[in-house]
Amino acid sequence: GAGVSQSPSNKVTEKGKDVELRCDPISGHTALYWYRQSLGQGLEFLIYFQGNSAPDKSGLPSDRFSAERTGGSVSTLTIQRTQQEDSAVYLCASSLAGFRSDTQYFGPGTRLTVL
Amino acid sequence: QKEVEQNSGPLSVPEGAIASLNCTYSDRGSQSFFWYRQYSGKSPELIMSIYSNGDKEDGRFTAQLNKASQYVSLLIRDSQPSDSATYLCAVNANDMRFGAGTRLTVKP
Repeated sequence: GAGVSQSPSNKVTEKGKDVELRCDPISGHTALYWYRQSLGQGLEFLIYFQGNSAPDKSGLPSDRFSAERTGGSVSTLTIQRTQQEDSAVYLCASSLAGFRSDTQYFGPGTRLTVL
Repeated sequence: QKEVEQNSGPLSVPEGAIASLNCTYSDRGSQSFFWYRQYSGKSPELIMSIYSNGDKEDGRFTAQLNKASQYVSLLIRDSQPSDSATYLCAVNANDMRFGAGTRLTVKP
């Protein structure tokens, strides 16, 4: 079946502009996660959605970052007033149930470059 | 102290050798442990999960967990050049934390 998809695959923007990144999880997966990976670094947790529960936003680095998940499926990560340090690969993952013991399946990522 | 620590490498082993990748974690409440493989420019893919102390084998891969020592490792037997990648350790307590990864190179 279809895996996690993300769009766009690449985004180049100017400093100060807003960007929206999209994630389509695997159908039927209730949990969705956003991570950020800077060059040569590990994964930095950003936000986690589980079903209809309030999202865990504890990883968002600043109030310029926000995310929504509509209808329990598609999610959009928005970065306002982008800065050069926001340049990274943004990865989305989904899992069938929740956090504790479930396998996460990753999308191909969106490479964001802020000039 | 980082929550999940890995030696960044690079770790270089000859083809056919055993590659040993190590990971330590700080949260004693951690319950689930994962190893992901990430090829350059690609997204991570799960290769092993382990939840109980001891060894878990899957083909050429063996995960080892020691909760008392807060240590989890991945052994790759008969290493192949196609195993060359970055291996990420992930630990799950109340949330999932990833290590920075160990870059493995298997030389023909």
